[in-house]
Amino acid sequence: EAGVVQSPRYKIIEKKQPVAFWCNPISGHNTLYWYRQNLGQGPELLIRYENEEAVDDSQLPKDRFSAERLKGVDSTLKIQPAELGDSAVYLCASSLELFSDEQYFGPGTRLTVT
Amino acid sequence: KQEVTQIPAALSVPEGENLVLNCSFTDSAIYNLQWFRQDPGKGLTSLLLIQSSQREQTSGRLNASLDKSSGRSTLYIAASQPGDSATYLCAVRSSGTYKYIFGTGTRLKVLA
Repeated sequence: EAGVVQSPRYKIIEKKQPVAFWCNPISGHNTLYWYRQNLGQGPELLIRYENEEAVDDSQLPKDRFSAERLKGVDSTLKIQPAELGDSAVYLCASSLELFSDEQYFGPGTRLTVT
Repeated sequence: KQEVTQIPAALSVPEGENLVLNCSFTDSAIYNLQWFRQDPGKGLTSLLLIQSSQREQTSGRLNASLDKSSGRSTLYIAASQPGDSATYLCAVRSSGTYKYIFGTGTRLKVLA
């Protein structure tokens, strides 16, 4: 069974440019999470989807971040415009159902903003 | 607000040693606690999950304990191997929430 797929794996952009990250969860997993992990820190939840509905986006900086999961399968996280402080690893995870404790993580996208 | 701290931040040990990683949390009203492993350039893998009603969980050479009253959990690794080298993260789910709060991790290096 394929795991959570993320692309790109690495991205380097200049500040003020837009960037997008893509995630394809494990087949059949209804719940999808986006996390941000700063260097030397643990992951912090940005947004959680149940199917195509964002059920918790309270930690998402809405002035520059947006996310979508249009058909309830794959998801895109966008930053526009990027700032230096956005440099981090962006992790996607999925779980079978809403309150499952078993989250499966993708390898992440390492973003560097110069 | 739940805060999770892990000590030490980094640890280097010779192969074969038994070792203990520590995790502390500020709010004892937890639902469960998980220990994760993170390898460089890879995502997190769950190692052990302890429910709030449990005192410990074991998987192979790993043993995790939980003391809610003191706000502590430990991850014991027996007979460490170079393949155990990774960052170990503790994550706490508080009662009444679904969200996990992660610690900053312990970076472990096991020397051959």
